Amino acid sequence: DQQVKQNSPSLSVQEGRISILNCDYTNSMFDYFLWYKKYPAEGPTFLISISSIKDKNEDGRFTVFLNKSAKHLSLHIVPSQPGDSAVYFCAASYDDVGGSQGNLIFGKGTKLSVKP
Amino acid sequence: DSGVTQTPKHLITATGQRVTLRCSPRSGDLSVYWYQQSLDQGLQFLIQYYNGEERAKGNILERFSAQQFPDLHSELNLSSLELGDSALYFCASSTDRGLYTGELFFGEGSRLTVL
Repeated sequence: DQQVKQNSPSLSVQEGRISILNCDYTNSMFDYFLWYKKYPAEGPTFLISISSIKDKNEDGRFTVFLNKSAKHLSLHIVPSQPGDSAVYFCAASYDDVGGSQGNLIFGKGTKLSVKP
Repeated sequence: DSGVTQTPKHLITATGQRVTLRCSPRSGDLSVYWYQQSLDQGLQFLIQYYNGEERAKGNILERFSAQQFPDLHSELNLSSLELGDSALYFCASSTDRGLYTGELFFGEGSRLTVL
């Protein structure tokens, strides 16, 4: 049972345009959502997060939107750059063990290719 | 470079064998997490330690065990290996703030191949 789903295995966009990566979840107990980026032969790196009490969080070119009623979140990258080409993982967590949010539930990832 | 060190980077072994994966967290981080990434799967949480104590357990098989030592490095032991255990095993660490934000620092992973 996949609690966090990224239905698009891949996405290709032109440099300078907007990249929109989507993620759906099923567990209404989730209270924290994160995006991680992964380059080949490297571990995932944290990109941006959002608490369930917010609907938007922005950090430079990256914005995450959360729609709790639809159990959907998205990551917008504007403008997209070739260096953004990587696999993006959506992750979610809830506090079930003494405040720990680090037990993340990940989606399977979306491979973003930004073409020059 | 995340500051999290994992060894070995690659490991090839046979079914039925036992292996140990090692992880050194970032300096100052007390929390260590282990994740498994199988082919076509997202990262699956296995287990978490905080300052030497087990804090949370995920979908970790009984054939697998882990521990965190007084110097905070951690080891993941995989025994009676099966073909399906072939995967990328990631270690991550976090600050105490990361316990609440989910911001983890991942190592480069140990790729295990079971033949």
